[in-house]
Amino acid sequence: NAGVTQTPKFRILKIGQSMTLQCAQDMNHNYMYWYRQDPGMGLKLIYYSVGAGITDKGEVPNGYNVSRSTTEDFPLRLELAAPSQTSVYFCASSGGANTGELFFGEGSRLTVL
Amino acid sequence: QKEVEQDPGPLSVPEGAIVSLNCTYSNSAFQYFMWYRQYSRKGPELLMYTYSSGNKEDGRFTAQVDKSSKYISLFIRDSQPSDSATYLCAMSVQGAQKLVFGQGTRLTINP
Repeated sequence: NAGVTQTPKFRILKIGQSMTLQCAQDMNHNYMYWYRQDPGMGLKLIYYSVGAGITDKGEVPNGYNVSRSTTEDFPLRLELAAPSQTSVYFCASSGGANTGELFFGEGSRLTVL
Repeated sequence: QKEVEQDPGPLSVPEGAIVSLNCTYSNSAFQYFMWYRQYSRKGPELLMYTYSSGNKEDGRFTAQVDKSSKYISLFIRDSQPSDSATYLCAMSVQGAQKLVFGQGTRLTINP
């Protein structure tokens, strides 16, 4: 039972570098999300997708891009990394039912120096 | 004003105590109210879910929603060291879509 799988778990980037955080789910969920979590700040929604080919901005989308070419995968692209993007990134999915339940991955810790 | 306010703590109580965690919110359109539990270096997991106002009980956990006061609570009875975690309230206008999270309260239960 893999659920939501995120890679890499840890990464250090230099300012100006780019990278992609990978997210895959095996529950056939239509809805997928990217959140970032900063210390004492809760979770902020970056981007979300309601199905393959459909994405939309969340609360804090600047500096990020996403794509959703398949139901299973929802990668998050960081262009021109900045220290303000140092955070823990969580990918989540849901079946869309009105239960409020998101299934989260274990997170990707990113440090930009 | 933040849309959802939650005291970040930390909160430390002895084993067996009753724990009360709370959140306030400003958006009267919220209909779905959740509590997530997050262990250190793990992703959050859904603990309790309530639709609209009222109480919901699940074992040692009780969730309460008071929409008239825009206030939600989570009570933990007979707290155990394994309950030590960060508890995040979350709410939305429509189900699991675009949840708005509180800051999270770090709770420690001391044996």
